[in-house]
Amino acid sequence: SAVISQKPSRDICQRGTSLTIQCQVDSQVTMMFWYRQQPGQSLTLIATANQGSEATYESGFVIDKFPISRPNLTFSTLTVSNMSPEDSSIYLCSSGRTDANYGYTFGSGTRLTVV
Amino acid sequence: AQTVTQSQPEMSVQEAETVTLSCTYDTSESNYYLFWYKQPPSRQMILVIRQEAYKQQNATENRFSVNFQKAAKSFSLKISDSQLGDTAMYFCAFMKPTGTASKLTFGTGTRLQVTL
Repeated sequence: SAVISQKPSRDICQRGTSLTIQCQVDSQVTMMFWYRQQPGQSLTLIATANQGSEATYESGFVIDKFPISRPNLTFSTLTVSNMSPEDSSIYLCSSGRTDANYGYTFGSGTRLTVV
Repeated sequence: AQTVTQSQPEMSVQEAETVTLSCTYDTSESNYYLFWYKQPPSRQMILVIRQEAYKQQNATENRFSVNFQKAAKSFSLKISDSQLGDTAMYFCAFMKPTGTASKLTFGTGTRLQVTL
């Protein structure tokens, strides 16, 4: 399975600013997913990013708030825009192929604190 | 839409003992995959075990095994000979393969504490 490098691992940001999170995969993957995990909670899917097309967002998440880039099959970024304290969460990326019945690989997560 | 339910928010087990974590799901699909992920305090999501719905045989990975009851839509995880390193959040997940955007649906998680 793929190995994902995610950075930054953590950050403390001022409200109103933006943070871009990067995920680099060590092999080509068709799909990448971005999740939010609020403290003590499960993972909530933000969007699915396929190379060469716009990301598909889940209900409750919009592109203006969480723009995503997927320039190639090994890289993706998620930006958390105009942050507020409610955006304080762990953000995780994951990757998989269309034949990924083995389960998806996850990055190590970014712990974001907005003050 | 699929839902995944983990009814045990917290569990505790002594080292070397066996513990079973419960998971139920709801789907009308016949072809799907089920997973158990482990998330230790490091935040890293680690795949523990997977099960293909079309396979009747329960999956096993070393000390980890599942009891997959398709008719009952139940997918429990058994951890044998528990170790301190098993302390983590455990998430049950469902995936319906759609070819281009197969999403994972996660349960709410069970926090497992392994004690001496």
